[in-house]
Amino acid sequence: EIVLTQSPGTLSLSPGERATLSCRASQSVSSRYLAWYQQKAGQAPRLLLYGTSSRATGIPDRFSGSGSGTDFTLTISRLEPEDFAVYYCQHYADASSPVYTFGQGTKLEIK
Amino acid sequence: EVHLVESGGGLVQSGGSLRLSCAASGFTFSDYWMHWVRQAPGKGLVWVSRIKMDGSGIIYADSVKGRLTISRDNAKNMLYAQINSLRAEDTAVYYCARGDFHYMDVWGKGTTVTVSS
Repeated sequence: EIVLTQSPGTLSLSPGERATLSCRASQSVSSRYLAWYQQKAGQAPRLLLYGTSSRATGIPDRFSGSGSGTDFTLTISRLEPEDFAVYYCQHYADASSPVYTFGQGTKLEIK
Repeated sequence: EVHLVESGGGLVQSGGSLRLSCAASGFTFSDYWMHWVRQAPGKGLVWVSRIKMDGSGIIYADSVKGRLTISRDNAKNMLYAQINSLRAEDTAVYYCARGDFHYMDVWGKGTTVTVSS
């Protein structure tokens, strides 16, 4: 079973600052199948990135992703007020169980 | 505009059943994989099931295997989840999501399932 561990659990930053969120896999995974989602309180998740670094439709370019193997990063270059939310990484591996795994989430809060 | 609207949630006793529905609009439903993902109160996201465009490719999370049946009706642009033998740990918001086989790019607002013991 692939486990995704996100860190930190909570990140306190101010608007305008740079945010770096980590997602670490328990074993090497394909970067083709690593995605990131944003979930605001009381709302459904929204796809940000897929294939580690490809932005979904309508996602601003301040969101970027990188990584390979076991270590992946979501970077928000300059935080806007609407970016404060919970972020989840997710991986797909058809030979694993479960096939789809989410990290436990990182809460990005206003400092 | 692309929309997914879930329905069918509610309060049900342990051991009961529910049929969740997801109405899709604004896109060609038959072109997409569809998923169910759930979120227990105050917890993270957990993938539940997925189905390929033509109704094949069905897989389930171990936690619901044998109790949940996913299906779709491409003529009606509908996705379904029949959940039987409900347990307290099935209490969650259930989201339907459109996507590819490896990610989910559009999500509904969710329907809440509460299982009382």
